Amino acid sequence: EVQLVESGGDLVKPGGSLRLSCAASGFTFSTYSMHWVRQAPGKGLEWVSSISASSTYKYYADSVKGRFTISRDNPKNSLYLQMNSLRAEDTAVYYCARAFEYRNSPGGYWGQGTLVTVSS
Amino acid sequence: DIQMTQSPSSLSASVGDRVTITCQASHDITKYLNWYQQKPGKAPKLLIYDASRLETGVPSRFSGSGSGTDFTFTVSSLQPEDIATYYCQQYDILPCTFGQGTKVEIK
Repeated sequence: EVQLVESGGDLVKPGGSLRLSCAASGFTFSTYSMHWVRQAPGKGLEWVSSISASSTYKYYADSVKGRFTISRDNPKNSLYLQMNSLRAEDTAVYYCARAFEYRNSPGGYWGQGTLVTVSS
Repeated sequence: DIQMTQSPSSLSASVGDRVTITCQASHDITKYLNWYQQKPGKAPKLLIYDASRLETGVPSRFSGSGSGTDFTFTVSSLQPEDIATYYCQQYDILPCTFGQGTKVEIK
């Protein structure tokens, strides 16, 4: 059974940093691209970042470019999102999602999400 | 970036009604469109991919159609458990982008 479990969400002050983790199991992690998608309270879904299976390609939304860094550790079956220079507008539930086999998009497997709150 | 315009933003329908949601892309995305269902406090659930392909395990009352820039999502007979917010999402080009969502309620 495919499982994705996010962790690391917390309350952080504006300008602070946080590192989110996503633990994957039930599939060959090293063969799939992975994504982060976020959802601000009461708002819609916003794609944040993706990373290819071997970490060769990394993509970011303009809203986080230069502040967030996506990475992965394939032997540890883990995905990460390093978030720096956090702003109030980064407050959201952050989901990790596995990509389709054939196309780089979030697909049918998502974690339960972890809440990041940026507030003084 | 490709903009996804989803409508309506909300709708109210009776159990058994046919419900339709539309999504329009700002550029041709061929068939690369997902439809998700999201219930409060839960992660999105993939229902339809490649515009019209039903995800495994999803009831057949859900369907999708369209290609290019215009897409439709249909629930053929609305059930109480279908109360949720539905999102379209294009994946032709990164950044993948989502529609604004349609909140479906029971009348």
